[in-house]
Amino acid sequence: ETGVTQTPRHLVMGMTNKKSLKCEQHLGHNAMYWYKQSAKKPLELMFVYSLEERVENNSVPSRFSPECPNSSHLFLHLHTLQPEDSALYLCASSQGINSPLHFGNGTRLTVT
Amino acid sequence: GDSVTQMEGPVTLSEEAFLTINCTYTATGYPSLFWYVQYPGEGLQLLLKATKADDKGSNKGFEATYRKETTSFHLEKGSVQVSDSAVYFCALSRNNQGGKLIFGQGTELSVKP
Repeated sequence: ETGVTQTPRHLVMGMTNKKSLKCEQHLGHNAMYWYKQSAKKPLELMFVYSLEERVENNSVPSRFSPECPNSSHLFLHLHTLQPEDSALYLCASSQGINSPLHFGNGTRLTVT
Repeated sequence: GDSVTQMEGPVTLSEEAFLTINCTYTATGYPSLFWYVQYPGEGLQLLLKATKADDKGSNKGFEATYRKETTSFHLEKGSVQVSDSAVYFCALSRNNQGGKLIFGQGTELSVKP
């Protein structure tokens, strides 16, 4: 069982919907990340949270809104997405931003 | 900026064949280098790492050597198995352990019995 759990595993949403992706880590880590994985492209780092504060936002459109209420939970709120936002969204955690990452299994998002 | 380039896949091999997946990087200073593996339907798992020049990372029969002179970190395995079928990602980090990673595009490996 992975120490990083993402829900839902699959999500289909229309362009006008609002949905949220959830990530929970059971490893006692204090840093959490969102990555976007699109077909045949490198993984793109979207957001980094360290000690529940956002420390990096890699020019991500405002239709993606992260939230980190505590060190164990990370959300990605989605609204008015575009079809090109369809991808696998991966959450990861680490003990400090200088430690190896532990990934969840991802949420496969399809925007119709 | 920093970047990682991997050989394009898919790579298809027969069981027990020798595997090489090429990875080269561009970075200032002395990054740490990593290989991650993603099995179907799963997230990425750290396979091996090297934190300084000439280090060799190894795990599960896979090896990669940090070559600063050629800015490379090629992944090798002497005898692949069907269970090694997955997507392999090379990555670097400016930090010495690897929190904020820059990934290559991934190389899909398919091993046939």
